[in-house]
Amino acid sequence: DQQVKQNSPSLSVQEGRISILNCDYTNSMFDYFLWYKKYPAEGPTFLISISSIKDKNEDGRFTVFLNKSAKHLSLHIVPSQPGDSAVYFCAASSISSGSARQLTFGSGTQLTVLP
Amino acid sequence: DAGITQSPRHKVTETGTPVTLRCHQTENHRYMYWYRQDPGHGLRLIHYSYGVKDTDKGEVSDGYSVSRSKTEDFLLTLESATSSQTSVYFCAISDRTGSPLHFGNGTRLTVT
Repeated sequence: DQQVKQNSPSLSVQEGRISILNCDYTNSMFDYFLWYKKYPAEGPTFLISISSIKDKNEDGRFTVFLNKSAKHLSLHIVPSQPGDSAVYFCAASSISSGSARQLTFGSGTQLTVLP
Repeated sequence: DAGITQSPRHKVTETGTPVTLRCHQTENHRYMYWYRQDPGHGLRLIHYSYGVKDTDKGEVSDGYSVSRSKTEDFLLTLESATSSQTSVYFCAISDRTGSPLHFGNGTRLTVT
């Protein structure tokens, strides 16, 4: 039973437009959420995070929105660039998991930004 | 780049043989993790460590063991490899609770 779900395996967007990647979770104990980007043959790279006490966090072209009541978060990329083409993973953790704060990941969304 | 080195980067082995993957960090981070990545599953936690000789199981720990005798090294051992353990294995580190994990570049393991 996946606690973090990314229901769209792939997304194609035109360069310069907005990319919206979605993520749903079921565990109400999750209080910290992250997005990672992954290129082929490399490890995931941390992109942006948000604590459950916030509903929005912004870093340059990247904004993460959290809707706790819907158990939903989204990553907005504006404007999208060809270099953003990668697999994006949503991840979550709970303080109840202890000090190690292990992450639970979604299955990923392949974003393709078309020139 | 966080100083994380995984070795080997690629390995092909036969069913039933033991395999050890190594993760080496130069960041002196307290926490280390082993994940596996499979299509349709994202990354799943195998084992993690919260200090030297302190380890615990993750979501998919069956068939795997780990050891951490030094801060910088975290070893993942498959005692008797099976085809279901064919995967890409990622090591990750973090320095404190709540900080993001930083990942190595992975080891692609094929069990024939």
